[in-house]
Amino acid sequence: AAGVIQSPRHLIKEKRETATLKCYPIPRHDTVYWYQQGPGQDPQFLISFYEKMQSDKGSIPDRFSAQQFSDYHSELNMSSLELGDSALYFCASSTRDSANSNEKLFFGSGTQLSVL
Amino acid sequence: GQSLEQPSEVTAVEGAIVQINCTYQTSGFYGLSWYQQHDGGAPTFLSYNALDGLEETGRFSSFLSRSDSYGYLLLQELQMKDSASYFCAAKGGSARQLTFGSGTQLTVLP
Repeated sequence: AAGVIQSPRHLIKEKRETATLKCYPIPRHDTVYWYQQGPGQDPQFLISFYEKMQSDKGSIPDRFSAQQFSDYHSELNMSSLELGDSALYFCASSTRDSANSNEKLFFGSGTQLSVL
Repeated sequence: GQSLEQPSEVTAVEGAIVQINCTYQTSGFYGLSWYQQHDGGAPTFLSYNALDGLEETGRFSSFLSRSDSYGYLLLQELQMKDSASYFCAAKGGSARQLTFGSGTQLTVLP
């Protein structure tokens, strides 16, 4: 079965550089979520998209932006990177194709971002 | 906003039963989910309760009491592979913002 695909798996950047993370949700899933998880922390909600439109916004810094494209893939763009941005970034997708099914988020393997 | 509280650590031995509690405060509540995450891995969905009561899925069960803003995850016949972090989670906003609790690190000893 198809899963959520994220790329790259690992990314190393310098301070003040930019980074772009990509996410390909499960086919026919209508909602995409982005999360940031620091070491030993819980996943922090950044932003979500429903049917390619921004839905909810969480603790996403102004330096970050995200969008969902016509083919449903999503990108998280991060500028002016700081040391504190080093974290595991997860993308997840879900669908409401049956009762309560959109409560089940399918997560990708994540992108480990290291800012040096 | 959403706030979910869990114990930070739980330790148990193989074959035992363990219960991980979660109390929540949310503005708008759709239900309580549970996720498992192994070190360096992705969170994996375990269970979801929209209504009060017990949901059973194999060795795992989850319980919800909406009147008490409380739920728990029950893990039976513990195995070494169950050592992981367990998160409760709840949705708010337009139902597309899942907030995770602080997580409970479960260690299963031989």
